[in-house]
Amino acid sequence: AQSVTQPDIHITVSEGASLELRCNYSYGATPYLFWYVQSPGQGLQLLLKYFSGDTLVQGIKGFEAEFKRSQSSFNLRKPSVHWSDAAEYFCAVGGRDDKIIFGKGTRLHILP
Amino acid sequence: GAVVSQHPSRVICKSGTSVKIECRSLDFQATTMFWYRQFPKQSLMLMATSNEGSKATYEQGVEKDKFLINHASLTLSTLTVTSAHPEDSSFYICSARDPRAYGSYEQYFGPGTRLTVT
Repeated sequence: AQSVTQPDIHITVSEGASLELRCNYSYGATPYLFWYVQSPGQGLQLLLKYFSGDTLVQGIKGFEAEFKRSQSSFNLRKPSVHWSDAAEYFCAVGGRDDKIIFGKGTRLHILP
Repeated sequence: GAVVSQHPSRVICKSGTSVKIECRSLDFQATTMFWYRQFPKQSLMLMATSNEGSKATYEQGVEKDKFLINHASLTLSTLTVTSAHPEDSSFYICSARDPRAYGSYEQYFGPGTRLTVT
């Protein structure tokens, strides 16, 4: 069955510290992987995506993610977080049938 | 980049009435659009896939007679919540895939519509 697991419901980091949000997926075919960010009451903004090629993907706002097929993971990282990064982050997996399945999300809190 | 809009952004309706939510692709033609529902502090759940000129494909457990989807043109899909009840209160988000981006399976999301049924 297709699924996405984000094991951390909440994460709190200090401003300026590094960040890693975990994502594991289960998908029967070649996965297309996404990270989205959602601010309260807002829609989703795509941070980055992986379809093929280089397994280290650079996104917007200084985020990157690494696809590790052997671990079925697509963790999101940022070397130094800013207070404006506080939001909900969703990992998602899709495929050729166009359906995108979302994880439950990780809420990121930033300490000043 | 591709832009998707939704209207209205917020709507309050009385129980038993129907409400229509519009999803538009502003700068591209979308043959396929998707409707999601998001409960407070929860993830997005796909409700249905909307295809231009044909019937929508609903996910298991979604009542097609309650959530009517019409994809009448290449830039517009509508979701009508019929005979709304308080449990239908939720955040509804649409998305569309840009067919110009061949090989790209990215979906562009609208800003969402907050529905409150009183």
